[in-house]
Amino acid sequence: GAVVSQHPSRVICKSGTSVKIECRSLDFQATTMFWYRQFPKQSLMLMATSNEGSKATYEQGVEKDKFLINHASLTLSTLTVTSAHPEDSSFYICSARAGSVDTEAFFGQGTRLTVV
Amino acid sequence: ILNVEQSPQSLHVQEGDSTNFTCSFPSSNFYALHWYRWETAKSPEALFVMTLNGDEKKKGRISATLNTKEGYSYLYIKGSQPEDSATYLCAFIPGNTGKLIFGQGTTLQVKP
Repeated sequence: GAVVSQHPSRVICKSGTSVKIECRSLDFQATTMFWYRQFPKQSLMLMATSNEGSKATYEQGVEKDKFLINHASLTLSTLTVTSAHPEDSSFYICSARAGSVDTEAFFGQGTRLTVV
Repeated sequence: ILNVEQSPQSLHVQEGDSTNFTCSFPSSNFYALHWYRWETAKSPEALFVMTLNGDEKKKGRISATLNTKEGYSYLYIKGSQPEDSATYLCAFIPGNTGKLIFGQGTTLQVKP
C-alpha cells in the first residue's frame, strides 16, 4: 500500500514554544490530508482537513490560530502547534488518500507531543 | 454531533477462538464505512472499505458485514491468532465529505 511518513514520532517541548509536525506521502500525491488528535482512551478526533494550495478546513472547536496547517505541495502537509501548553500534550496523527473519498486512507505513524 | 460507537471496548480471547465486534453509526447520510487495524507502534492499516447496504467483505480469516439501514457493521475474526492482537477501528464517512469519523476502537488481545 501507499506510504505516509510522519515526523517526529515523539517530541518534548517547553511551554510557550512552537512545534512543527510533518506528514509526507512518499509514493503518491495527496490532494487532501487529514489531521487527527487522540486523547487517552478516546477515539481519533478529526481536527482539520488540509487541501493542497488552499486554507485548511477546521472542525468545530479547533483553534486555527493555535494549530496552523499548511499543505504546500501534493506530498507534504505540516501541523504547527503554536505557543504550546501542557494541555496540548497529546497524540497527533495524519492521514492521506490517494484516490476518491470512498477509498482507504493511509496513516502516518503519529506524533506523541509532550509539553512541559 | 455524529456518533460512532464500537463495542466491546476490549476483548481477551484464546488462540483459536472466533470473535466479532460491532460498529454503530448514523443510518442517515451514509456514504461509506471503513475498518482499520491498528497494531501497537504502527500506523493504522485499512482492512475494508464498505459502501453498499448488505456488503460482505472478506480478507483471510477476517470478514465484515454492513447494514446501512439500521446503522451497524460487524467485524468477524475466525480462529483468532496472537498476531491478530490489535485495536480495530471503524470509521464512518458522512455524505460526500471524505471525512472519517472514528469510533473508540475495540482492543483485541489473543492469548496463545
